[in-house]
Amino acid sequence: AQSVTQPDIHITVSEGASLELRCNYSYGATPYLFWYVQSPGQGLQLLLKYFSGDTLVQGIKGFEAEFKRSQSSFNLRKPSVHWSDAAEYFCAVGATSGGYNKLIFGAGTRLAVHP
Amino acid sequence: GAVVSQHPSRVICKSGTSVKIECRSLDFQATTMFWYRQFPKKSLMLMATSNEGSKATYEQGVEKDKFLINHASLTLSTLTVTSAHPEDSSFYICSAHARAPRTDTQYFGPGTRLTVL
Repeated sequence: AQSVTQPDIHITVSEGASLELRCNYSYGATPYLFWYVQSPGQGLQLLLKYFSGDTLVQGIKGFEAEFKRSQSSFNLRKPSVHWSDAAEYFCAVGATSGGYNKLIFGAGTRLAVHP
Repeated sequence: GAVVSQHPSRVICKSGTSVKIECRSLDFQATTMFWYRQFPKKSLMLMATSNEGSKATYEQGVEKDKFLINHASLTLSTLTVTSAHPEDSSFYICSAHARAPRTDTQYFGPGTRLTVL
């Protein structure tokens, strides 16, 4: 069965520090992978996605993620975190079912940023 | 582009009443919309997949008679929580798929906070 694991429930970093949020997936075929960000009480905003091609994907707000098939990982990175990046981050895999791509989400990682 | 709206953003109702939540794709046609439920500090749980012009497909454990979904047009899907009870209180989020769903992305609405008293 398809699944997504985000090992870190909560991460705290200092403003200006680098960030890496981990994501591991389980999926039999080539996965479609996504990272979304959710601010408190808000919906989800797409940061970036991987469908195929270059395994290093650039997204919005200075985020990037690298697809590593051998490790079944799709970790999210940012070289320098801003206070406004504090939010909940969700990794998701697109699983085909009945011809449609359902999203299976990880549990999320809550990011806190210290000034 | 790819804006999805939800209405209302917040609703409080009495136990036993029904509540309708609308999800609209504002600048694209959505052949498929998805309804999620999110518990506090938890991830999103897919409730159902809503296909334009056909019956919704519900995930295992989701009561279809409790959560009525209608996808009447390519830009509107509605979720009606019937005979709501306090345990139905949650954050409900919809998303919309543009055409060519195998490759396109889901775009999410801002969510609706339902509180049942």
